Amino acid sequence: EAGVAQSPRYKIIEKRQSVAFWCNPISGHATLYWYQQILGQGPKLLIQFQNNGVVDDSQLPKDRFSAERLKGVDSTLKIQPAKLEDSAVYLCASSSDRIQFFGSGTQLSVL
Amino acid sequence: SQQGEEDPQALSIQEGENATMNCSYKTSINNLQWYRQNSGRGLVHLILIRSNEREKHSGRLRVTLDTSKKSSSLLITASRAADTASYFCATALRGGSNYKLTFGKGTLLTVNP
Repeated sequence: EAGVAQSPRYKIIEKRQSVAFWCNPISGHATLYWYQQILGQGPKLLIQFQNNGVVDDSQLPKDRFSAERLKGVDSTLKIQPAKLEDSAVYLCASSSDRIQFFGSGTQLSVL
Repeated sequence: SQQGEEDPQALSIQEGENATMNCSYKTSINNLQWYRQNSGRGLVHLILIRSNEREKHSGRLRVTLDTSKKSSSLLITASRAADTASYFCATALRGGSNYKLTFGKGTLLTVNP
């Protein structure tokens, strides 16, 4: 069974630029999550999708972050404009029940 | 906010020794899960314990849960160098058909050969 795929693996941008991350979940998993993990911290949930609907986006900074999940499969997370404090690893996870399966993440550096 | 808080923040042991990590949380939960993260990688699920369970085993892993104290512990027996990683507890709350996980800051375990 293929795992959760994320791209790119690394991204370096300057502040005020925009960036997008892509995630392809495990086939058949209806629930998809985006997390932000700052160095030395645990993952923090940004947004949770059930199929292509948003279940929880209470911690998503909506003035600069946006996410969509087209056709209930792939998802993209966008930051526009980026700030220095957005430097982190962005993790995508998917699940069909209680357990979440994570991708390797995108490491974002904002200079 | 992060609900789970792991203790210690870092742990260094010799191969063959046991490693114990603790997790405390603040609110009611449906279940508690432990995940492992190798450097530069995503998280991998290790074990889940339901709120009505007190102890669970999986291979060299033993998890306990005390809901009255809102705490859990993860024991790794006979540790190996390959166990070197960060370990996170995550509390799970169910909302409808979905589960939301809230992660702690993690314990960095180093197993020296």
